[in-house]
Amino acid sequence: QSVLTQPPSVSAAPGQKVTISCSGSSSNIGNNYVSWYQQLPGTAPKLLIYENGKRPSGIPDRFSGSKSGTSATLGITGLQTGDEADYYCGTWDSSLSTFYVFGTGTKVTVL
Amino acid sequence: EVQLVESGGGLVQPGGSLKLSCAASGFTFSGSAMHWVRQASGKGLEWVGRIRSKANSYATAYAASVKGRFTISRDDSKNTAYLQMNSLETEDTAVYYCAREGLDVWGQGTTVTVSS
Repeated sequence: QSVLTQPPSVSAAPGQKVTISCSGSSSNIGNNYVSWYQQLPGTAPKLLIYENGKRPSGIPDRFSGSKSGTSATLGITGLQTGDEADYYCGTWDSSLSTFYVFGTGTKVTVL
Repeated sequence: EVQLVESGGGLVQPGGSLKLSCAASGFTFSGSAMHWVRQASGKGLEWVGRIRSKANSYATAYAASVKGRFTISRDDSKNTAYLQMNSLETEDTAVYYCAREGLDVWGQGTTVTVSS
């Protein structure tokens, strides 16, 4: 059971904006950078955002990330059909049970 | 091109063992920590563990669910990381991915099925 909570699904029409929340605690999000991963159907996860809001080379600026306290948010603007995927947040956790944790995952559907 | 390629997956009986490999290319493997992450069919991502570089004493860390059963190692001369899995349980059935430090590069995954 993940310690980072995300909504199971979000949806919007092409061209619209969606936001995905990731809720944690002081042992993880509250004291560590957050990353976001995109997993297209049948493929390996891909790093989308790191250090809360930075984008790796090649990731369009339609994708943005932010963090406040013990929560983080991923935003996708100008939604495209190719954005249909599962999205996961991830961060380090200082608890004894594990070191890195992923969110529960959010399915983005383009209507 | 930076690339990670996993291999070694397959079908194994409960209680059995399996060793996965992760071959790296296109970057300085010896200076990078390496992670293993798994995903059961239709489920989310689960971090399995990681091994740091020689400069960080090859320190390892594991998720509670696999600690004591799984061991991560590396051979910098072969640019390869390994995941030794012992005492396998049906709950270990998943696609196993390796990823570079920062989880910025991932392999394509290898499937492990634990079943009698």
